[in-house]
Amino acid sequence: NAGVTQTPKFRILKIGQSMTLQCTQDMNHNYMYWYRQDPGMGLKLIYYSVGAGITDKGEVPNGYNVSRSTTEDFPLRLELAAPSQTSVYFCASSYSPPSGVYYEQYFGPGTRLTVT
Amino acid sequence: GQQVMQIPQYQHVQEGEDFTTYCNSSTTLSNIQWYKQRPGGHPVFLIQLVKSGEVKKQKRLTFQFGEAKKNSSLHITATQTTDVGTYFCASTTSGTYKYIFGTGTRLKVLA
Repeated sequence: NAGVTQTPKFRILKIGQSMTLQCTQDMNHNYMYWYRQDPGMGLKLIYYSVGAGITDKGEVPNGYNVSRSTTEDFPLRLELAAPSQTSVYFCASSYSPPSGVYYEQYFGPGTRLTVT
Repeated sequence: GQQVMQIPQYQHVQEGEDFTTYCNSSTTLSNIQWYKQRPGGHPVFLIQLVKSGEVKKQKRLTFQFGEAKKNSSLHITATQTTDVGTYFCASTTSGTYKYIFGTGTRLKVLA
């Protein structure tokens, strides 16, 4: 299994440009997450999804959009990039049965984004 | 909103010394997960605690969940250079899957 894969690894955007960060998992996990990590800081939840077709906002959703059309893919869209969106973006996935038990999150390698 | 504070922010220890990081919340937590992130890497899951007062051990690592489920600690005995990295706690509030991560403790081990 590849686990959680993210593309691209690095990207430089100009202010006002848009882009999509790709995330794919091959573990058949129902939950998927997008986090951002600013230098020297913790991770902040941007959006998450509990299954295909269902998404919800996290702590810092402004300036981002997501969709979940399949179990495997959870792309993150940046519209009108701003310097404040310079960060490392991590995608993660986890499995949770209907009983509501929490399980570990598996993280992708991250995408390092710079907006100038 | 829910906040999870972690202390200390940084810790430098000599190899062989012990290390502890603490995670504190103002609200009751459903669970606590601990992750380790090596420099330039991604977070890797270490352990999860869900029961009040729970204690779990992994070799030199000891994890505790407070009786009131509002705090947790990670203790490393006799640190090694391989322990270098940032340790994060993460949690959710009851009924949600919105994870809040602590600010992290960056551990440096001097050989």
